[in-house]
Amino acid sequence: KQEVTQIPAALSVPEGENLVLNCSFTDSAIYNLQWFRQDPGKGLTSLLLIQSSQREQTSGRLNASLDKSSGRSTLYIAASQPGDSATYLCAVRDAGGSYIPTFGRGTSLIVHP
Amino acid sequence: DTGVSQNPRHKITKRGQNVTFRCDPISEHNRLYWYRQTLGQGPEFLTYFQNEAQLEKSRLLSDRFSAERPKGSFSTLEIQRTEQGDSAMYLCASSLVQWRSETQYFGPGTRLLVL
Repeated sequence: KQEVTQIPAALSVPEGENLVLNCSFTDSAIYNLQWFRQDPGKGLTSLLLIQSSQREQTSGRLNASLDKSSGRSTLYIAASQPGDSATYLCAVRDAGGSYIPTFGRGTSLIVHP
Repeated sequence: DTGVSQNPRHKITKRGQNVTFRCDPISEHNRLYWYRQTLGQGPEFLTYFQNEAQLEKSRLLSDRFSAERPKGSFSTLEIQRTEQGDSAMYLCASSLVQWRSETQYFGPGTRLLVL
């Protein structure tokens, strides 16, 4: 059974810092991995999707990398801003045919001015 | 607004009552997912549809839970005889599978409180 862990659980940084959020998964036979953002009391917004054959994806100040062999993905946020404050979740979809993603518990990020 | 919508956004009910939630996916999306999320946790999968067919259900989905997607468009999730442990955010997501690629788009959720 796939298990997804996100470290750290919470992070508070001053504006302008570059950040790395970590996601690890136990079964490396994955189909894809997706990073989401969730604002308090709201639904999830997709940030980046990495297929199993890809090593990284970039969107603006966000860069996500994938290392299947070690069961890890990182989300890099450059030049953080207060508007980046949210919970960041990663979800892993297994390659075994099930389309069910397994989510981590998220990293709660606060960027203070 | 062409995103995923969910209604109601909030629901307060007494234990033992039945509740029904609705999800309207993005119009051309063929897959629709239901998740439950409690405070401090990631979303937990409940069930998903490919068009109108319900293809998989989680063990979390007890007999009190039922979901439908009658015409392959909107979906409903009904909880019968609600219990306090059912209090959670219920999230719906839709997706379109193309070229083995699939990105899920989430709705704002329905927050349920069972008293």
